[in-house]
Amino acid sequence: DTAVSQTPKYLVTQMGNDKSIKCEQNLGHDTMYWYKQDSKKFLKIMFSYNNKELIINETVPNRFSPKSPDKAHLNLHINSLELGDSAVYFCASSIGTASLQETQYFGPGTRLLVL
Amino acid sequence: GNSVTQMEGPVTLSEEAFLTINCTYTATGYPSLFWYVQYPGEGLQLLLKATKADDKGSNKGFEATYRKETTSFHLEKGSVQVSDSAVYFCALTGANSKLTFGKGITLSVRP
Repeated sequence: DTAVSQTPKYLVTQMGNDKSIKCEQNLGHDTMYWYKQDSKKFLKIMFSYNNKELIINETVPNRFSPKSPDKAHLNLHINSLELGDSAVYFCASSIGTASLQETQYFGPGTRLLVL
Repeated sequence: GNSVTQMEGPVTLSEEAFLTINCTYTATGYPSLFWYVQYPGEGLQLLLKATKADDKGSNKGFEATYRKETTSFHLEKGSVQVSDSAVYFCALTGANSKLTFGKGITLSVRP
């Protein structure tokens, strides 16, 4: 059983389009995250939600809007896609945020290419 | 703010060679330290972690010790295998469990 799943796995789209990436976890965790990995493999957190409440919102353009309908899902909607949005987007989850010892479990990634 | 510095890569080794990947960090408070591994085309997997000073994390023959005095968490393995070829990320947790990653280093192991 996949613990953290993402759809789609690959996404190729034109500049200016709007797209969504979905993430689901079946681990019963309260906290979910979105990370962006650029072409040089550098990973940076974008958002985190704890039980549907926004906790972390890094300096991400407001074209990116996360939505958490329930604590098992965290979707990422991107408006007006730009070339620089091309990257691999990873979803992750953890039990919570109370302890710095929490392990985050990552999904397989969504490879977004904007043409 | 928190930061993680990894040695520059890539690293290429022959099978059964000894591996060291350096990682140092800057953080406030008492973070936990992690090594994550990313195999080609896959997501990140936790390799090992240490939650307090002098703790040693270990998994699959890899080890790393949380050294507060040198703010380091170097990854070591005594004998690498071809299957260890991957990208390795050092990371630490800060407030709200925010993970800060190093730049990652690509390891290639030749038969």
